[in-house]
Amino acid sequence: RKEVEQDPGPFNVPEGATVAFNCTYSNSASQSFFWYRQDCRKEPKLLMSVYSSGNEDGRFTAQLNRASQYISLLIRDSKLSDSATYLCVVADNYGQNFVFGPGTRLSVLP
Amino acid sequence: EPEVTQTPSHQVTQMGQEVILRCVPISNHLYFYWYRQILGQKVEFLVSFYNNEISEKSEIFDDQFSVERPDGSNFTLKIRSTKLEDSAMYFCASSKGTGYYEQYFGPGTRLTVT
Repeated sequence: RKEVEQDPGPFNVPEGATVAFNCTYSNSASQSFFWYRQDCRKEPKLLMSVYSSGNEDGRFTAQLNRASQYISLLIRDSKLSDSATYLCVVADNYGQNFVFGPGTRLSVLP
Repeated sequence: EPEVTQTPSHQVTQMGQEVILRCVPISNHLYFYWYRQILGQKVEFLVSFYNNEISEKSEIFDDQFSVERPDGSNFTLKIRSTKLEDSAMYFCASSKGTGYYEQYFGPGTRLTVT
């Protein structure tokens, strides 16, 4: 079965810390990759797409290593509002079936 | 900013009853999806829908489930005879296309089967 795996967490970090999330996927035919965040009992919200060249959006940096089938998310200068569960999402070669990882919960502490 | 909406936010039903969960996808999106999330577990794909037909479905999406786009705006998920294990959060999502297109999720319907 094609799966997506993530660090089990939870991560408890102080404000201002840098935190890294790791994700691996098993389907080598996967074509697109995303990070979503999910607050407690809410819907997943898109954080960023992940491109082969890597991409950055403010304090957030995502990297993709296709050879290792590995995706990462780095959050710099973490804020209290970053507390959430971070979901690694991999789409198959048709891009319809999003396969979600189990998520890694982050708590940013004052 | 356009968003996916879902109704009801919470549905309580008795085992064996039929339920219909409703979604209004983002208006210029062409692909529609249903996912579910059992409490404390990961989000799971159920079905995708394009051009008025199912384009992909998971093994969870058995004969008890059906989807429909009854008009130009609504997208529904019907569970014919609910079981206790159907209790979960059901999320609708939509996207402009497939491949590199992001999916946008609605706020979910919490289904409780008693």
